[in-house]
Amino acid sequence: KQEVTQIPAALSVPEGENLVLNCSFTDSAIYNLQWFRQDPGKGLTSLLLIQSSQREQTSGRLNASLDKSSGRSTLYIAASQPGDSATYLCAVLYNFNKFYFGSGTKLNVKP
Amino acid sequence: SQTIHQWPATLVQPVGSPLSLECTVEGTSNPNLYWYRQAAGRGLQLLFYSVGIGQISSEVPQNLSASRPQDRQFILSSKKLLLSDSGFYLCAWSVRGVGNSPLHFGNGTRLTVT
Repeated sequence: KQEVTQIPAALSVPEGENLVLNCSFTDSAIYNLQWFRQDPGKGLTSLLLIQSSQREQTSGRLNASLDKSSGRSTLYIAASQPGDSATYLCAVLYNFNKFYFGSGTKLNVKP
Repeated sequence: SQTIHQWPATLVQPVGSPLSLECTVEGTSNPNLYWYRQAAGRGLQLLFYSVGIGQISSEVPQNLSASRPQDRQFILSSKKLLLSDSGFYLCAWSVRGVGNSPLHFGNGTRLTVT
């Protein structure tokens, strides 16, 4: 059974700090890995998608890396801002149809 | 551009009442469609997915059902709601048969069963 784990479950940092969110998965035969942001009571917004053949993707202050052999992905957020406060989820695609989600990391960036 | 619509945004229903949540996708054809549920403080649980009209795969046993009467329409239903059906229901789509396709979500329906 494929499992996706995110650590830590919650994180509180002061504004301006760089931070790393972690995602691990048990089966390395993935097609892609996607990072999402979820604001309270809202749907999920896609941040970055890394295909299985890629090692990293960047968008603005966000950088996501993928290490298939170790079953790990990290989301790096540079110069964090209060507006970055949200829950961040990773999802892994194992076949063409099903995405498996971690339980998320709730981030609070303090002004 | 592609858009996904999900309604209603919030719903309060008594135990034992029926349920119908609707999701439609615009701007794409033959999508994979998904229903997820998110319980308070927990991750997303895949309930159903569909790769085509009338083709529904169920991931967990429950008193919910799904239907896909049209290519871009996905409906989540229940004949009799339970208290445990409360949660945040999310519809999503991806491009069928493409391993690098991202998953796109609707805004969700907050269901409270009283």
